[in-house]
Amino acid sequence: DTEVTQTPKHLVMGMTNKKSLKCEQHMGHRAMYWYKQKAKKPPELMFVYSYEKLSINESVPSRFSPECPNSSLLNLHLHALQPEDSALYLCASSQDYYGIYEQYFGPGTRLTVT
Amino acid sequence: AQTVTQSQPEMSVQEAETVTLSCTYDTSESDYYLFWYKQPPSRQMILVIRQEAYKQQNATENRFSVNFQKAAKSFSLKISDSQLGDAAMYFCAYRSANYGQNFVFGPGTRLSVLP
Repeated sequence: DTEVTQTPKHLVMGMTNKKSLKCEQHMGHRAMYWYKQKAKKPPELMFVYSYEKLSINESVPSRFSPECPNSSLLNLHLHALQPEDSALYLCASSQDYYGIYEQYFGPGTRLTVT
Repeated sequence: AQTVTQSQPEMSVQEAETVTLSCTYDTSESDYYLFWYKQPPSRQMILVIRQEAYKQQNATENRFSVNFQKAAKSFSLKISDSQLGDAAMYFCAYRSANYGQNFVFGPGTRLSVLP
């Protein structure tokens, strides 16, 4: 099983809403990632979790709050978002953060903030 | 800081023909990895091919091969016998061998395959 799943596939939320994105992998990977991707642009790294600990936060606004409840699950909690936060949010995982391991990407959640 | 450039925003190729996507990068490091990722429309991004900088031999994966020129800092992707399913956005990516998995992605090349 080389699959990373993400739910929901689409999400529309108002600027005052609170919502969460979910990512799951069952490959035993110890590193998980959140990326933001705007249309026709490459993914931009937001957060990295390594062994369930937050390793990297790429200066992401606090209205995005990541959580890694266990080694298989990664959440991204959203609160008071802005319209410019509308994008495709990708989750990825790799066997480890170091070393030449492939990153496996999920299909993404397409977020629209109204 | 490292940068990755893909000078062709869009390309097209006839089915069964060969196409080459270009990628150049800038780094002062000697040990790093290079990747090509494919992102089909509304589908997930998948790894196409990767190259370790210390390896002189160019990587190949079935119809996909690279031309890695370390001195020129060039890493082009050749797709042979193009198929309709090859239509996608292709991202070239750089990763330092000294640090973790922080990719530096290029801006992407959108490849269309014409029947």
